[in-house]
Amino acid sequence: DTEVTQTPKHLVMGMTNKKSLKCEQHMGHRAMYWYKQKAKKPPELMFVYSYEKLSINESVPSRFSPECPNSSLLNLHLHALQPEDSALYLCASSQARDTSRPNSPLHFGNGTRLTVT
Amino acid sequence: QKEVEQDPGPLSVPEGAIVSLNCTYSNSAFQYFMWYRQYSRKGPELLMYTYSSGNKEDGRFTAQVDKSSKYISLFIRDSQPSDSATYLCAMSAGQGGSEKLVFGKGTKLTVNP
Repeated sequence: DTEVTQTPKHLVMGMTNKKSLKCEQHMGHRAMYWYKQKAKKPPELMFVYSYEKLSINESVPSRFSPECPNSSLLNLHLHALQPEDSALYLCASSQARDTSRPNSPLHFGNGTRLTVT
Repeated sequence: QKEVEQDPGPLSVPEGAIVSLNCTYSNSAFQYFMWYRQYSRKGPELLMYTYSSGNKEDGRFTAQVDKSSKYISLFIRDSQPSDSATYLCAMSAGQGGSEKLVFGKGTKLTVNP
C-alpha cells in the first residue's frame, strides 16, 4: 500500500457526467500533483499545487478542474470528458521547493483507472 | 533529440540474472535522478533517488549516475520473478517539490523462474 491514497480505484463515466477524483496524503508534503498515464506510456504532468496554490498547469483542457482544499487533499473534477481522456490518473506528493530537506522525490498513489464511454 | 531516452525493451531474463537498465539524457541541468518501478495496474513506486554523480546501493539494487556522460543506470542483482515490472527513470533540475519530472518511456522487464 502507498502513502498516497486515491479514490475511487476505477471509474466509468459518460461524456455528459460530472465526477471527481480524490487524493489524500498524510506525509506532511506541501506539493501535490496530478498526472495522466496512458497505456505503455510514462506519466504526463497535468497540474502542480504548492502550499495549496496552483503553481503549474500544463495547458490542460478546462474539462479537468483541480482543487486543493487543504494540505492533505487534492481533487480533480471532471466534466464533459471525451473517450480519449480514458487513462490512469495518478496523484503524487512531495516536499515543496522551498524546504531545506535534500531528499524530496515524488511519491505516487496507485491511481484511478478512468474509462469514458 | 528527446530530453530522456530509455530503451522500452521488452527485456526478458532468467531468475538470478543481473539486470542492467539505462537512460541517457541531454539536459545538463538535471541534478536529481530517480528510478521508479511500476507493476501492472499500480502507480509508480520509488526505488532509488540520487543526487548528482556517483553510486547508491539499496539491497539488490544499485543506481549509478555519470553526469559527464549524461548516463544513468539501475542494476538489479539476483533478479527475482517479483522484479517483473516496468522500470521508469526520471530526473529533474530542482530539488523536488513543484519541479517537473522528466520521465523515460520505461523498460518492461520480465524475470522468468
